Amino acid sequence: DGGITQSPKYLFRKEGQNVTLSCEQNLNHDAMYWYRQDPGQGLRLIYYSQIVNDFQKGDIAEGYSVSREKKESFPLTVTSAQKNPTAFYLCASSIGRTGEKLFFGSGTQLSVL
Amino acid sequence: GQNIDQPTEMTATEGAIVQINCTYQTSGFNGLFWYQQHAGEAPTFLSYNVLDGLEEKGRFSSFLSRSKGYSYLLLKELQMKDSASYLCAVRDYGSGAGSYQLTFGKGTKLSVIP
Repeated sequence: DGGITQSPKYLFRKEGQNVTLSCEQNLNHDAMYWYRQDPGQGLRLIYYSQIVNDFQKGDIAEGYSVSREKKESFPLTVTSAQKNPTAFYLCASSIGRTGEKLFFGSGTQLSVL
Repeated sequence: GQNIDQPTEMTATEGAIVQINCTYQTSGFNGLFWYQQHAGEAPTFLSYNVLDGLEEKGRFSSFLSRSKGYSYLLLKELQMKDSASYLCAVRDYGSGAGSYQLTFGKGTKLSVIP
């Protein structure tokens, strides 16, 4: 079955540590996205990528980094510069250009130890 | 920028009908999505409206009025499993970014009670 796989489901970060969230899709979608969701808040866009080896900052990119070396993969690194990283992180993809119907992964809950 | 408003929470009775409203303000409107999200899970697509009017899909319907900047999601014959958050997302064309963008509202948490 085609879909988006995020791992791990739960992740804990220590002070000053970088952590990487994995996102893999086998839908052959061109565009991929990372969203952050806080309780009572809407989804906020961190980064997106429309093609391999290219990505753009979203609304809240500070303290995060991404790469898009393969079409299927779009990992997100939460760096130590992100002072409030506790949130639910959702990866998504869409068939073509940005703004199309999104297909979401099951999410990663990141917490700070 | 965009401003998208939805009620924070709603409660409805099993078997009843509930309407969840979404209002928006944007300059380059190009469509509106509704997603359902159960707690701790991924949002799933419910509907997409780009033209004015009502789109019906089984127990769920979505309505759009572009002139009023208004949409609603109508859920009929409510079931306990419909307890979830419902996210409104507006698609618009950002001339600065040169691409279409999606902006999400904060979501409406619906509780269905027996």
